[in-house]
Amino acid sequence: AQSVTQPDIHITVSEGASLELRCNYSYGATPYLFWYVQSPGQGLQLLLKYFSGDTLVQGIKGFEAEFKRSQSSFNLRKPSVHWSDAAEYFCAVGAPGGYQKVTFGTGTKLQVIP
Amino acid sequence: KAGVTQTPRYLIKTRGQQVTLSCSPISGHRSVSWYQQTPGQGLQFLFEYFSETQRNKGNFPGRFSGRQFSNSRSEMNVSTLELGDSALYLCASSPTGLSGANVLTFGAGSRLTVL
Repeated sequence: AQSVTQPDIHITVSEGASLELRCNYSYGATPYLFWYVQSPGQGLQLLLKYFSGDTLVQGIKGFEAEFKRSQSSFNLRKPSVHWSDAAEYFCAVGAPGGYQKVTFGTGTKLQVIP
Repeated sequence: KAGVTQTPRYLIKTRGQQVTLSCSPISGHRSVSWYQQTPGQGLQFLFEYFSETQRNKGNFPGRFSGRQFSNSRSEMNVSTLELGDSALYLCASSPTGLSGANVLTFGAGSRLTVL
């Protein structure tokens, strides 16, 4: 069965600092990988996705993520964080083949301080 | 293009009652998934429907059920509500085809409080 681990429950960074959120997955083959962001009281918004090809993927809002097969990781990065990036971030894994059973990590809550 | 619409946004029920939540997917999306989000358990997959058929089901008791209509709109029902059913229920839709596989677009959710 597929699973996702986000080891950091809560992260605090200063505005303008760089950010890296960790994600490790478990899946028997190359999965589909996603990062979503959730603002308070809202649904989830897709930041970026990896299906195949280039292992460094670019997303919206200046985010990027790198797929590392050897480490079963898909870490999210941003070079300079803005106060509006404060939210909860979810890594997710899906099984190729079109079936929509996507498994989410427990989330990392990002706090941005001035 | 209109997004995923969930109704109602907020509702309060008492233990033992039942509730029905509605989800209208993005036009043209035929897959609808439901998730329960709680602070303790995070996002848990409930079920997924495609062309009116349930294709996947998560590990929830039979009190949780759903259906999908021919226009792809979906409803989920929870019967005999328990306090632990208090949660944000999220619906997500997805287009058909491999390129769209697993790319979920979420609604804003229905916040259920059980007293």
